[in-house]
Amino acid sequence: DQQVKQNSPSLSVQEGRISILNCDYTNSMFDYFLWYKKYPAEGPTFLISISSIKDKNEDGRFTVFLNKSAKHLSLHIVPSQPGDSAVYFCAASAVTSGSRLTFGEGTQLTVNP
Amino acid sequence: DAGITQSPRHKVTETGTPVTLRCHQTENHRYMYWYRQDPGHGLRLIHYSYGVKDTDKGEVSDGYSVSRSKTEDFLLTLESATSSQTSVYFCAISAGRQNTGELFFGEGSRLTVL
Repeated sequence: DQQVKQNSPSLSVQEGRISILNCDYTNSMFDYFLWYKKYPAEGPTFLISISSIKDKNEDGRFTVFLNKSAKHLSLHIVPSQPGDSAVYFCAASAVTSGSRLTFGEGTQLTVNP
Repeated sequence: DAGITQSPRHKVTETGTPVTLRCHQTENHRYMYWYRQDPGHGLRLIHYSYGVKDTDKGEVSDGYSVSRSKTEDFLLTLESATSSQTSVYFCAISAGRQNTGELFFGEGSRLTVL
């Protein structure tokens, strides 16, 4: 039972354009959503998060949008840079389950110069 | 840098042998986690700890055991390694805001079981 799904294994965009990474979830108890970024041979690093009481959170070039009715969130990167090329993981947690993270499968983003 | 060190970083072993991976943290965090990362599955929780000698199972705990005798160390043991346990293992600590699930990860331990 995959509670968090990232349906696109890969995404390729041109430098300077927008990257949009998508994530769907099934568990309505999730109340906090996070995006992690992972480079090869390194551990995942926290990128941005959003609480279920909000529908948007912005941090520099990164914006996360949450649509609770659709159980969908997305990460927008504008403008995309070659250094953004990495695997992006969507994750969710619920206070009722001790805030343990459930991750999606990941999306490999490649930003071409 | 959340002060997390994993060892060994790389290990090749044979089926049926025991393996122990170590996670060491320097900042006295209460919660520690072991995840495995596999293509097509993302990161899956194996076991976690909420204090010394307090541990619980995650979603893929079969074939794994853990121990936490000191706050700073969280050990993951494969009693008899199998090829299906070939993976990259990540230790994490919970150091973000309360009840958000925000984790900080180590650099990973790549295990190959032949």
